[in-house]
Amino acid sequence: QKEVEQDPGPLSVPEGAIVSLNCTYSNSAFQYFMWYRQYSRKGPELLMYTYSSGNKEDGRFTAQVDKSSKYISLFIRDSQPSDSATYLCASFYNQGGKLIFGQGTELSVKP
Amino acid sequence: EAEVAQSPRYKITEKSQAVAFWCDPISGHATLYWYRQILGQGPELLVQFQDESVVDDSQLPKDRFSAERLKGVDSTLKIQPAELGDSAMYLCASSAPPGPGYTFGSGTRLTVV
Repeated sequence: QKEVEQDPGPLSVPEGAIVSLNCTYSNSAFQYFMWYRQYSRKGPELLMYTYSSGNKEDGRFTAQVDKSSKYISLFIRDSQPSDSATYLCASFYNQGGKLIFGQGTELSVKP
Repeated sequence: EAEVAQSPRYKITEKSQAVAFWCDPISGHATLYWYRQILGQGPELLVQFQDESVVDDSQLPKDRFSAERLKGVDSTLKIQPAELGDSAMYLCASSAPPGPGYTFGSGTRLTVV
C-alpha cells in the first residue's frame, strides 16, 4: 500500500463548478499536508499547505485535513479553465524531509 | 521570484548512452532533492542532499545512477547506461526550513530510445 493514495481521475467539470479533490494517507506520523498544481510539461508548484488537522482557505481554494480519518481534501470554488492541471497531494514527517506524493488527479475545466 | 533552475529541459538519448542533468537551487537553500516522475504518476524521491552530503539515496538505482553536489550549491544527476525504463521527468527541488517551502524546477524530460 502506498503511503499517500489519490484517485488519478481524469476529472472533467464545467466552468464555475465546485471541484473536490481527495487523498488518503496511511502514516500517522505525517504532520504537513500539501497540495501542488502541475501544468503539462512543468514542475509542480505549491498551492497551499496545512499543518496537522483543520481547514485553510486561500481565495477560491480550501484545503482540509481530517487526521482522525487520514483524509486530505482540496476544494476549488468557481472553477476556471485555467485551473485545468494535475493536482498532487503530498505529505512529509518533518521539515526538510522528503515529500511523499499521491498519484495526482488530472482536472479539466470546460468553458 | 527565486527559481530552481534545471537544464536541459528536454533530452533524447539512445539506450546504453550516458546522460546528465543539472540543477541550481534557490540561493541559500541547503536542502536539495532529485525526484523522478513517470508519466501519470506522482514524483518519487531519488536522492536528498543536505549541503554537500547525501541524506537519503535509498531509492537511487546506484548501479546506474549517481548524484553529486560539490560545494553544496548546484547538483548533477547522471545515468549511465540509460535504459528504456528511465524515460521520465526528472525534477529538482530545494527547501530551507523553517516552513515547508519546497520549490520545484521545471524539470528535465528524458526520453530513452
